This record gives sequence, structure tokens and C-alpha cells, in this order.
Amino acid sequence: AQRVTQPEKLLSVFKGAPVELKCNYSYSGSPELFWYVQYSRQRLQLLLRHISRESIKGFTADLNKGETSFHLKKPFAQEEDSAMYYCALRRYGGSQGNLIFGKGTKLSVKP
Amino acid sequence: DGGITQSPKYLFRKEGQNVTLSCEQNLNHDAMYWYRQDPGQGLRLIYYSQIVNDFQKGDIAEGYSVSREKKESFPLTVTSAQKNPTAFYLCASSAGTGGHGELFFGEGSRLTVL
Repeated sequence: AQRVTQPEKLLSVFKGAPVELKCNYSYSGSPELFWYVQYSRQRLQLLLRHISRESIKGFTADLNKGETSFHLKKPFAQEEDSAMYYCALRRYGGSQGNLIFGKGTKLSVKP
Repeated sequence: DGGITQSPKYLFRKEGQNVTLSCEQNLNHDAMYWYRQDPGQGLRLIYYSQIVNDFQKGDIAEGYSVSREKKESFPLTVTSAQKNPTAFYLCASSAGTGGHGELFFGEGSRLTVL
């Protein structure tokens, strides 16, 4: 079965501390994985995707096929990083936007 | 201003009534989607459409219906058969080819059944 698991509902860190939001997936074959973010009072938007191997707003995520993980990391958290984060997996055989989302992790960065 | 427009933002409905949520996009995207967002549940796919006059059921299609008569429009009807319709509904679109899976979301519609 195709599945995305985000084990933490809430993650609270202090400003300047490292942050890691966990994401594990279940998928046969080569997955396409994404991180979406929803800031307060804003639309849900794409943060990054693993195929681009990019760093956005200081965040990176590495696909680890052995551990079936795609954890989102940032070395020094900022208050403006506080948001809801969703890990997503493109459904096998699905169209470009046909994604399976995890339940989300709320990140709270304290001053 | 390009993007996805959902209306209304807030909607109240009495039990037994159907209600239609509007979704319009001017991004010239081929594919459109409806997701339902519940606290602690993440997003779940209701229906999607990859091309005009065609749509498919998602994971939780029961009690919902859609139409795709125009490329830019993908309305969702929440019928009286939907057992738990109170939720936040998100419409999204993506490019048919390329785009690498990026979804563009609307601001959402919050439906409350009284």
C-alpha cells in the first residue's frame, strides 16, 4: 500500500536550534516525494521536491530509500518557519498532482 | 492575478441539503483536484480531473459529485449522502505535463453542517 507517515503532530523548538520533521513512506518502486507548507493565513504551497535536490528557505530533504524516509531538515530554525508541514507522495500511476499526503506536523519555533 | 479562486470561503448548510463549492483557475492547468482537510487527518483526495469532461474518484468520493465542463472550472457538490460533510475543502490544480507534481491550491472553503 502507498502511504505517508508523519509521526509527530507537533514539534516545538527554540529559535536557532536545528529542526527535523520526519516523514516515512511506503511505496513500491521509485517514489516522488514532496514537502508542502501552510503558513498561518496563507495557502498550502510547495516547499520542495526531492527530484530537484534543492534548498528552499534553508530547508533540505534527502530521500533515503533504505530507510524509506524523506525527513525535512534545517540547521537553524527561525520564528517565521512556524507552520504546518505536510509530506506527500505522488500516487503510483497517478497524474502530476495526484498526491498522498501525510497527516502533517505543526512546527512551532519559539523566540 | 493568476491563481485558484474558491468560493464561498464559509458556508453553512442544514442537514439534508446539497451544496456546491466553486473552484476556478486561470493558470491554464489541465488537471484539477478536490481535497478534504480535517484536523489530524491531513489532506484526502475526493475527486480529480485530468482533462475537460473527464474525472475520477479519489479516496473518499462517496457523497460527493463533480463536473468538469470547462477547463478553468471544477465545482464540487456535497450531497446529503455525505455522512460527515463538515470540513475544510481545498481545490488545487497542476500542469498536465511537466510541473513535476506541484499543486497550486486555493484558499479553501469551510463547510459547516448545522
